[in-house]
Amino acid sequence: GQQVMQIPQYQHVQEGEDFTTYCNSSTTLSNIQWYKQRPGGHPVFLIQLVKSGEVKKQKRLTFQFGEAKKNSSLHITATQTTDVGTYFCAGRGTGGFKTIFGAGTRLFVKA
Amino acid sequence: NAGVTQTPKFQVLKTGQSMTLQCAQDMNHEYMSWYRQDPGMGLRLIHYSVGAGITDQGEVPNGYNVSRSTTEDFPLRLLSAAPSQTSVYFCASSFRTDFNYGYTFGSGTRLTVV
Repeated sequence: GQQVMQIPQYQHVQEGEDFTTYCNSSTTLSNIQWYKQRPGGHPVFLIQLVKSGEVKKQKRLTFQFGEAKKNSSLHITATQTTDVGTYFCAGRGTGGFKTIFGAGTRLFVKA
Repeated sequence: NAGVTQTPKFQVLKTGQSMTLQCAQDMNHEYMSWYRQDPGMGLRLIHYSVGAGITDQGEVPNGYNVSRSTTEDFPLRLLSAAPSQTSVYFCASSFRTDFNYGYTFGSGTRLTVV
């Protein structure tokens, strides 16, 4: 079945450093979504990417969707303590209804 | 709008007991789903529904049943609880079924099976 792999599992950074998490799917995705979960909270939708090679920005966050629509990345520039949490990618294969989440990357930011 | 409401927030069960986790949304969302979250394993899909009367299995359906008699409600039933079902359970809904809308998650149910 469809698998979505996400790396790294954990990342410790100093405040002000950059951070990137990568997402790879075993199958071509119709689109990809990114979520953030604060410690003790629930996942919150951040953004969706649909087109091959698409790049979207939200302030210090940059999201990319690969040309083959099988991988994606989230890059945070100059991390802040408010960025702490777990970032998940989620994808669905073409023609199906199952949304599969990656295992997530937990970000720790040291002030 | 309350969004997605899950009850209870916490539950302790004994092995072999059954229970129902409730999920209700007031956004007229077509798509509803249940995920379990375990450390290091992300969110794993248990069951999902694309509309009232229609449900299907996800990645880890064994030991769980669902039904969708109305658009608003999507309860998850544990038939005979096992310690392996200790987890945090999230209900999530989306406006439509075509994955062009973000999911709205409930605040979760933390379940412990002893």
